[in-house]
Amino acid sequence: GENVEQHPSTLSVQEGDSAVIKCTYSDSASNYFPWYKQELGKGPQLIIDIRSNVGEKKDQRIAVTLNKTAKHFSLHITETQPEDSAVYFCAATSPAYYGGSQGNLIFGKGTKLSVKP
Amino acid sequence: EPEVTQTPSHQVTQMGQEVILRCVPISNHLYFYWYRQILGQKVEFLVSFYNNEISEKSEIFDDQFSVERPDGSNFTLKIRSTKLEDSAMYFCASSEFETQYFGPGTRLLVL
Repeated sequence: GENVEQHPSTLSVQEGDSAVIKCTYSDSASNYFPWYKQELGKGPQLIIDIRSNVGEKKDQRIAVTLNKTAKHFSLHITETQPEDSAVYFCAATSPAYYGGSQGNLIFGKGTKLSVKP
Repeated sequence: EPEVTQTPSHQVTQMGQEVILRCVPISNHLYFYWYRQILGQKVEFLVSFYNNEISEKSEIFDDQFSVERPDGSNFTLKIRSTKLEDSAMYFCASSEFETQYFGPGTRLLVL
């Protein structure tokens, strides 16, 4: 089955700096890669996602890149702010639009990002 | 903006008791999921549900677990006889296609 590895487990940056979190996946059939932000005591909130037919996607200060050959994808946060401090999870899945299954998400272990003012 | 809601937010129970965790998915979504997160660990898939039946389940989802959509809006997870190791945050999620939206979770503590 799919296995997702995420690094680093903790990341501390100064406000205004960039942060990069990297994930690798094992199943070449995976074709959908979301990133979630989890604040203390809350559920995971989707911040950006990418599908395997795209190499890069950007949304304001957040970008995700995907290298299908190497089976890795990365989250890039520019101009970090203290409110970016949270745990970030990458995930991978291979949704199937037949058989009633949308594919379960396999999560990485998370990266605790701290942005120091 | 529509969101997934879950009740209760916290549940404390004695080992061996039954618990039911409730979720209201986003109204036009057809795919529903339960995940759990043991404190400090990653989120783990339990089960997915579509068209009133289980689509997929993980090895965690054994005979002690069941899911149900009792009406047009609620989606429930039942644990028949709770164990200490069931203590975790339980998240419900729903999707229209592949993008899954998570609820705020129920923190379950089994004593």
